[in-house]
Formats: sequence, structure tokens, C-alpha cells
Amino acid sequence: GAVVSQHPSRVICKSGTSVKIECRSLDFQATTMFWYRQFPKKSLMLMATSNEGSKATYEQGVEKDKFLINHASLTLSTLTVTSAHPEDSSFYICSAEGHLSYEQYFGPGTRLTVT
Amino acid sequence: KNQVEQSPQSLIILEGKNCTLQCNYTVSPFSNLRWYKQDTGRGPVSLTIMTFSENTKSNGRYTATLDADTKQSSLHITASQLSDSASYICVVSGNNDMRFGAGTRLTVKP
Repeated sequence: GAVVSQHPSRVICKSGTSVKIECRSLDFQATTMFWYRQFPKKSLMLMATSNEGSKATYEQGVEKDKFLINHASLTLSTLTVTSAHPEDSSFYICSAEGHLSYEQYFGPGTRLTVT
Repeated sequence: KNQVEQSPQSLIILEGKNCTLQCNYTVSPFSNLRWYKQDTGRGPVSLTIMTFSENTKSNGRYTATLDADTKQSSLHITASQLSDSASYICVVSGNNDMRFGAGTRLTVKP
């Protein structure tokens, strides 16, 4: 099946710094990518939808200036958590939707810890 | 109120036993329903995807059913293995959105 990678898998940063998470579709072109966050023992919460070459669409309550999303190519989307705070600590997961398929392929996730 | 409700919230079974997880939804219009398996600390992995016209779909020991009239789906796991311990998430897609269930946390014990 299609493969989606995320980098880094784990990151620890200090409060006030910014962190960038990459999401790559390794063997297919993804016109649309999604970013989620997940708290322990909770389901995924959609943060934003990004389409290649256009601005991301954010879900209600998600600060677009804090969670910067860039979908610069058909295989790469990045999520930057700016001025991170401890409450931003979470598991961030991306998914990619193929051009010819409505299947969604999830990345392995990135564990962010803000100290 | 969540448009996708899963039950039970958690389940513990013995290795080798079968189990069935439930997913009820109110999403409308309906496009497709997917079951995912998510191991702890990992991203979800697709098990099955069903559209309106499909009643059942199998993937190895996993069999999903869909009743679009009653808006219910089930995921049946046969001859459970320790590696089946995970969260199982039901995702229902409408026209332009996806709704996630809260998941069922399954624990398979030896």
C-alpha cells in the first residue's frame, strides 16, 4: 500500500520555540493532505486540510497563525508549531489522499513534547 | 454530539476468541465508511473501506459490515491474536468531510 512518512517521529522543544514537522507521501502524489492532533486515549482531531499550492483550510478553533501549514509540492506538507507552549504537547498525525483514490494513508505520527 | 458513535469504548478478550465492534453514525449524505487500526503511538492503518452499495468487506481475519439503512457498521475480528491489541477507529465520510469515532480500545490477553 501507499506509504506516508513523518519526520521527526519525536521532538522535544523548549517553550517559545518553533517546531517543524514534515509529512511526505513516498510513492504517490497527494493533492490533499490532512493534519490531525491526538490526545492520549482520544480519537484524532482534524486540524487542517492542505491542498498543494494553495492555502490550508483550518478547522474551527485552530489558530492558523500558530499552526503554519505549507503544502509546497505533491509529496510534501509541513506543519510548523510556532511559539510552542506545553499545552501544544500532543501526537500530531498527517494523512495523504491520492489523486486517483479516496483512500487515506496516515503517517506514523510525531510526538511533540514542549517543556 | 458526535456523528459517529463507537461501542464498546474498551474491550478485553482472550487470545483466540472472536469479537465484534460497533459503529453507529448519523453522517448524511454518506460517502464511505472506513475502519482503521491504530497501535499505540502509531498512525492509523486502514483495514476496510465500504461505500453505500457494499454490505460486507473482509481483510484477513477482519470483516466489516455496513447497513446503510440503519446507519450501522460492525467490525468482526476472528481468532484474535495478541497483535490485535489496538484502538479501532470508525471514520465516516460525507460530501466534503470526515467524522471520526472515538475508537474502541481492544486488549487481547493470552
